Amino acid sequence: DQQVKQNSPSLSVQEGRISILNCDYTNSMFDYFLWYKKYPAEGPTFLISISSIKDKNEDGRFTVFLNKSAKHLSLHIVPSQPGDSAVYFCAASALLGNQFYFGTGTSLTVIP
Amino acid sequence: DVKVTQSSRYLVKRTGEKVFLECVQDMDHENMFWYRQDPGLGLRLIYFSYDVKMKEKGDIPEGYSVSREKKERFSLILESASTNQTSMYLCASTRFYEQYFGPGTRLTVT
Repeated sequence: DQQVKQNSPSLSVQEGRISILNCDYTNSMFDYFLWYKKYPAEGPTFLISISSIKDKNEDGRFTVFLNKSAKHLSLHIVPSQPGDSAVYFCAASALLGNQFYFGTGTSLTVIP
Repeated sequence: DVKVTQSSRYLVKRTGEKVFLECVQDMDHENMFWYRQDPGLGLRLIYFSYDVKMKEKGDIPEGYSVSREKKERFSLILESASTNQTSMYLCASTRFYEQYFGPGTRLTVT
C-alpha cells in the first residue's frame, strides 16, 4: 500500500513561472518530509526537507509547505528555470530516519 | 560532503547469473539502503541495514540478498538474475533524517 503518493506523473511550466508539485501521505507517524530531484541515469539528490513541527521551509527558489491536518505537502519552485527539469520525488521518514517512504515521482518540464 | 559510490554505472548480465552490486559510503553512517527504481513505481526498498552484519527486508526482498561485513560497504546480491530484475538500483546511506544516494547502477538482464 502506497503510503506516500504523488498523483501527478508530469507537469509542464513556462520558464519564470511557479512550479507546484504535490504530495499526499497516509501515515500520521511520519515526522520528517523530504524532496529529491533526479536527473536521468543519476541518483536522486536531496533538495529540501521539513520537520513535522513546521509548516514551511524555504531555501532560495524552493519552498516546501506542510499541512499536517490534510496530510499534504507541496514544493514550490519560483521562478522555474529550464535546469529544474527533472523528476521530483517526495519522501517521508519515520522512526528517527530508520525508514523512508517514497512517492512515485513527478516529472517536471520547464519550457524556455 | 557525503559521498556514496556504487561499483558500476551500467551492467549487462545474462539470466541465471549471480550479480553483485556494491555500495560504499565515506561518512561513517550507520544506516544503508538498497532501492530499485522503475518507471511509474518510484523507489521501492529492497533491503536495509542498521549496522554491520545486520539486515532487514524491505518491501521487495524476493530474489535478492545483502551483505554488510564492514560499516562503509553494503552489497546487494542477485542470486540468479532474471529479466524482471532489469532496473535502476540505488544505494543510499542516512545521516539523521536525510538520505544520500549513490549515482545508481542501470542493470539489464538479458
